[in-house]
Amino acid sequence: QKEVEQDPGPLSVPEGAIVSLNCTYSNSAFQYFMWYRQYSRKGPELLMYTYSSGNKEDGRFTAQVDKSSKYISLFIRDSQPSDSATYLCAVGPGNQGGKLIFGQGTELSVKP
Amino acid sequence: GAGVSQSPSNKVTEKGKDVELRCDPISGHTALYWYRQSLGQGLEFLIYFQGNSAPDKSGLPSDRFSAERTGGSVSTLTIQRTQQEDSAVYLCASSLVRLGAFSYEQYFGPGTRLTVT
Repeated sequence: QKEVEQDPGPLSVPEGAIVSLNCTYSNSAFQYFMWYRQYSRKGPELLMYTYSSGNKEDGRFTAQVDKSSKYISLFIRDSQPSDSATYLCAVGPGNQGGKLIFGQGTELSVKP
Repeated sequence: GAGVSQSPSNKVTEKGKDVELRCDPISGHTALYWYRQSLGQGLEFLIYFQGNSAPDKSGLPSDRFSAERTGGSVSTLTIQRTQQEDSAVYLCASSLVRLGAFSYEQYFGPGTRLTVT
């Protein structure tokens, strides 16, 4: 079993839709939870991170962590064609720095 | 300012040859990471440097893979006797690790696309 599971999609939605992206993880020791966005042939860029359980909002993006069920989500409101990319969830242990463990990534396409 | 840069951007090599991939991190970033991304796969951790030392090299898939970092800056990932399964995008990231601060903000380079024929 992979440490982080993510549905690879692809996911196609119309412009303006609410998008829900999800991951599950297996190790309850993980403390940091991140979402990266990766455009085609580019390196990933950090969108949001959360520490422990709860919600975090940044503009049209909301990250949610439920440690009791080991479930992390990213919601995108009013999706735009420019949001079309691959979204990768990642988890990190409680140490300073160190490796991230990534999900497979979900390919999202927002149609105008 | 300048981001993470990697060279070459593309590399095609024959099976059995050695290759060197280079990463220039963001100036002043103390931590440097190498990941591998295969087609349709997420990022797979390879090795992590803090300064010039590598406290975590658990992701290197075999002894054909090695990496070094000099002067706390540039890093080179070397793959010896390349195999077809080594074909992937090799991504480098750097971050500024500070006590008491969020240290997982890793900035990625554009990657080196390696094809082994």
